[in-house]
Amino acid sequence: GAGVSQSPRYKVAKRGQDVALRCDPISGHVSLFWYQQALGQGPEFLTYFQNEAQLDKSGLPSDRFFAERPEGSVSTLKIQRTQQEDSAVYLCASSFRAGGDYEQYFGPGTRLTVT
Amino acid sequence: KQEVTQIPAALSVPEGENLVLNCSFTDSAIYNLQWFRQDPGKGLTSLLLIQSSQREQTSGRLNASLDKSSGRSTLYIAASQPGDSATYLCAVRSIIQGAQKLVFGQGTRLTINP
Repeated sequence: GAGVSQSPRYKVAKRGQDVALRCDPISGHVSLFWYQQALGQGPEFLTYFQNEAQLDKSGLPSDRFFAERPEGSVSTLKIQRTQQEDSAVYLCASSFRAGGDYEQYFGPGTRLTVT
Repeated sequence: KQEVTQIPAALSVPEGENLVLNCSFTDSAIYNLQWFRQDPGKGLTSLLLIQSSQREQTSGRLNASLDKSSGRSTLYIAASQPGDSATYLCAVRSIIQGAQKLVFGQGTRLTINP
């Protein structure tokens, strides 16, 4: 596609439910990133993939958060046993290559509300 | 640990004014700095990317400068328009924390009044 797409755009979950958020990066982009953006804050890094390899997951807030990219394209961010503090916008980004010089292109985000 | 701060948190100005948004970062060892725009309910749109070896970048009415040694960047918007109303975020790629991740400031919410 022309840009990064994410689905669903909005998700409401009851506390304790599991959720799965999908990211379709720009075709051919090697690197994929997940960020979490709380209301009124800047995005915070969660995890990074280079192709199918998860090279950095230092930003995942707890072991309830799990991300995968099994074929090096589409990625899924899974949150188990959701809590109210998980409510945020989850942003996905991709870049053409690995390395600090390459620009990251962001999707529209998934707004997760945990009730 | 790299920290990014943006001042002011919110700014409201009349249409036509020139304005400056500020961004500061604590660790000067960066690969680059990027300015984004975020509209309500939307993702981030990249405005300007300044590599660590550059001093400024320009795109249309936007000009971003980088003073790496002092840990500062400014985004200058000329002849502001109501369509410029959005949240502006700056982000750096820190050498120590890994070239891949972007470290963001909290943003400046800009309102341009007609």
